[in-house]
Amino acid sequence: GDSVTQMEGPVTLSEEAFLTINCTYTATGYPSLFWYVQYPGEGLQLLLKATKADDKGSNKGFEATYRKETTSFHLEKGSVQVSDSAVYFCALSDQGTYKYIFGTGTRLKVLA
Amino acid sequence: KAGVTQTPRYLIKTRGQQVTLSCSPISGHRSVSWYQQTPGQGLQFLFEYFSETQRNKGNFPGRFSGRQFSNSRSEMNVSTLELGDSALYLCASSFPGGEAGYTFGSGTRLTVV
Repeated sequence: GDSVTQMEGPVTLSEEAFLTINCTYTATGYPSLFWYVQYPGEGLQLLLKATKADDKGSNKGFEATYRKETTSFHLEKGSVQVSDSAVYFCALSDQGTYKYIFGTGTRLKVLA
Repeated sequence: KAGVTQTPRYLIKTRGQQVTLSCSPISGHRSVSWYQQTPGQGLQFLFEYFSETQRNKGNFPGRFSGRQFSNSRSEMNVSTLELGDSALYLCASSFPGGEAGYTFGSGTRLTVV
């Protein structure tokens, strides 16, 4: 079945460092891909999405490119801030089954 | 527009009791999904409803049930509560295919004592 694999956390970075959080997926069809962010005490918020191969989703300085050849959707940000400290979830949406699959989440901690 | 509203925000129940959680989706969203989030197990899918029908179901025991009303509002019920049911329960709504993404509520924090 479909699955999403994220890198283990926590990821600890200094402010202004470059961020990469790896995400790979397996899917039988052509899923849409998403990144969500969860701040402490809150629900998840949609950060960005991509619906087809080679699409780049971007928001708030974060970017991710849908790579069909490597089945990946890695999250990147050029310069992280303390306020980016949160848990990040990669997810896919299978249009055939309407199933939504989340990764296990990666905790990011940014130090001032 | 109003977001996804979950009530109550916090709940404390005793083992063996039952509980009902409520979720009001964003206007126009007809799909509602429920997730259980715990530190040990992460985010686990409970079930998804669309047009008052359960369309997908996760691997939870029958003590966990849900329903959706004609106005798309959804409830989930947990009967015979166990200590391990303590968790953050998240509701998410979306357009039918989910391709535009989910909008999550802030969750209901359930503590079973």
